[in-house]
Amino acid sequence: DTEVTQTPKHLVMGMTNKKSLKCEQHMGHRAMYWYKQKAKKPPELMFVYSYEKLSINESVPSRFSPECPNSSLLNLHLHALQPEDSALYLCASSEWDRGSDQHFGDGTRLSIL
Amino acid sequence: QKEVEQNSGPLSVPEGAIASLNCTYSDRGSQSFFWYRQYSGKSPELIMSIYSNGDKEDGRFTAQLNKASQYVSLLIRDSQPSDSATYLCAVKKDRGSTLGRLYFGRGTQLTVWP
Repeated sequence: DTEVTQTPKHLVMGMTNKKSLKCEQHMGHRAMYWYKQKAKKPPELMFVYSYEKLSINESVPSRFSPECPNSSLLNLHLHALQPEDSALYLCASSEWDRGSDQHFGDGTRLSIL
Repeated sequence: QKEVEQNSGPLSVPEGAIASLNCTYSDRGSQSFFWYRQYSGKSPELIMSIYSNGDKEDGRFTAQLNKASQYVSLLIRDSQPSDSATYLCAVKKDRGSTLGRLYFGRGTQLTVWP
């Protein structure tokens, strides 16, 4: 079990659906991250939030919309996804965005029909 | 040239042996180095971080960093079947526009057989 909690653990959605992934940490970390991981590949960075502000967007399509309501919460809003977006979505956090360890949540397994 | 290179393996060792996992990186400005273990279908788990040249030991794990050679390794002593997983090397550059970004290698799949 990790101290970064992600919900839901599994999500199946159609291409026209709107859904959200949630991530929560109570370690006082000020940097939070979204990654996407396909099978047998390393995690790919999507977004970085530092002190609740978006600091890195790795040219992610607009059908993925991140939100950081407060320092403990990170959301990823999904809309009009494609089958190739099926993957494991990982949230991570670290004390701050430079020089500190990143710890991952258990991930959300997303399947797009 | 990729930022982080790992031998994808698979690496297979007998129980009780030393498993040696290697990683090279391209940017001399890299400051922070990490090893993650990932079991099939699970999320990556941080097992070692190293920031300065030399060795860092934690239980059966030893991370080695050589910044001059741009090389970082992970040794697992007394390997157990439960160590069978994919090991991801990750490097962070703690400056400039890439602040906070982890660069991952492709991972090395390790199998420890009884």
